Amino acid sequence: QLQLQESGPGLVKPSETLSLTCTVSGGSISSSSYYWGWIRQPPGKGLDWIGSVYYSGSTYYNPSLKSRVTISVDTSKNQFSLKLSSVTAADTAVYYCARVIASAGKYFQRWGQGTLVTVSS
Amino acid sequence: QSVLTQPPSVSGAPGQRVTISCTGSTSNIGAGYDVHWYQQLPGTAPKLLIYSNNNRPSGVPDRFSGSKSGTSASLAITGLQAEDEADYHCQSYDSSLSGWVFGGGTKLTVL
Repeated sequence: QLQLQESGPGLVKPSETLSLTCTVSGGSISSSSYYWGWIRQPPGKGLDWIGSVYYSGSTYYNPSLKSRVTISVDTSKNQFSLKLSSVTAADTAVYYCARVIASAGKYFQRWGQGTLVTVSS
Repeated sequence: QSVLTQPPSVSGAPGQRVTISCTGSTSNIGAGYDVHWYQQLPGTAPKLLIYSNNNRPSGVPDRFSGSKSGTSASLAITGLQAEDEADYHCQSYDSSLSGWVFGGGTKLTVL
């Protein structure tokens, strides 16, 4: 059974860099059938796609966040990571990692439980 | 402002049928990209409910169904149950943004 688990600091100071890691278990991150994605949900709001990465390292970012986002993959550890720089209070959200079907469907097939990141001094 | 538009809320009595709409544009749903639906129970992560317009993953009751036409899609829930009370999100892909897009989410209340 595939599982995804987000990890990282729950509190980040304004102007600093938010860093999260998603550990994948029960399946290989190196499969050509999937992308691996990050999605966030501000309190009381909808879902917002941040970006996705392929096992080869190819990345795809939300244009609204592209200047501040870096997503990378570590196939040796079966993990992928998110870095979001110059954070503000508007970046406070629950951050989810997910496995994304790479076919024409392009949907988020399996999600992690999510981790709340608060931006505050 | 979400790229896909959903009603903020819908409601229905137990046993009734409700529908949730998801309206996009010619760069996403209207361009032929599939629509997918997620159910988010209170305090939990979203879960895939319908994929590729009208397909249900294993374990999802057939009370849930999806459809797509033109630049819009709909999720229908029949035989409404108290356990269906949740937020529902639609999602597609957008060629102008070269990325994945979501609706703003719809809160379903079972009266």
